[in-house]
Amino acid sequence: GDSVTQMEGPVTLSEEAFLTINCTYTATGYPSLFWYVQYPGEGLQLLLKATKADDKGSNKGFEATYRKETTSFHLEKGSVQVSDSAVYFCALSGVQDTGRRALTFGSGTRLQVQP
Amino acid sequence: DTGVSQDPRHKITKRGQNVTFRCDPISEHNRLYWYRQTLGQGPEFLTYFQNEAQLEKSRLLSDRFSAERPKGSFSTLEIQRTEQGDSAMYLCASSALTGHSNQPQHFGDGTRLSIL
Repeated sequence: GDSVTQMEGPVTLSEEAFLTINCTYTATGYPSLFWYVQYPGEGLQLLLKATKADDKGSNKGFEATYRKETTSFHLEKGSVQVSDSAVYFCALSGVQDTGRRALTFGSGTRLQVQP
Repeated sequence: DTGVSQDPRHKITKRGQNVTFRCDPISEHNRLYWYRQTLGQGPEFLTYFQNEAQLEKSRLLSDRFSAERPKGSFSTLEIQRTEQGDSAMYLCASSALTGHSNQPQHFGDGTRLSIL
């Protein structure tokens, strides 16, 4: 079945450092890929998405590129801020038309940014 | 857009009791999903509706769990004879039905269930 593997946290960085959170997946065909973020005390929010190979999703300075050859969707940000401290979830949903609609999530990576 | 609304935010109950949660999706969204999230883990899929039809159920959804979406709008998730292992955050999400693409799911803040 479908699965998502994320790097374990917590990831602790100083403000303005470069961020990479690794995500790899196993799925049949070409799933859609997502990053969700969960700030302390809040619900899951969609951060960015990509629906086909080589697509780059971006939002709020975060980027992730859909790499079919390595089945990866790593999250990056050039300069993190304290306000980026949160838990980040990589997720996929099934192939269009025939795949399941539900999301399969990774276990999440906690990011702590220190001033 | 008022977002996905879930009620209650917190529920504390004794083992063996029944509980029911409600989810109000974004008004124009046809698809509604229930997930369960335990501490330190990502959400796990429970069930999915398209309009009023329940199209998919996870094997996580034991026979003590039942979900409904009677008029294709709000949904309820009921857990009968609760057990300690049911303690979790129950998340609802909704998405639009637009062509064949997988539209992003929008999540509510969840209902935290604690079993005493």
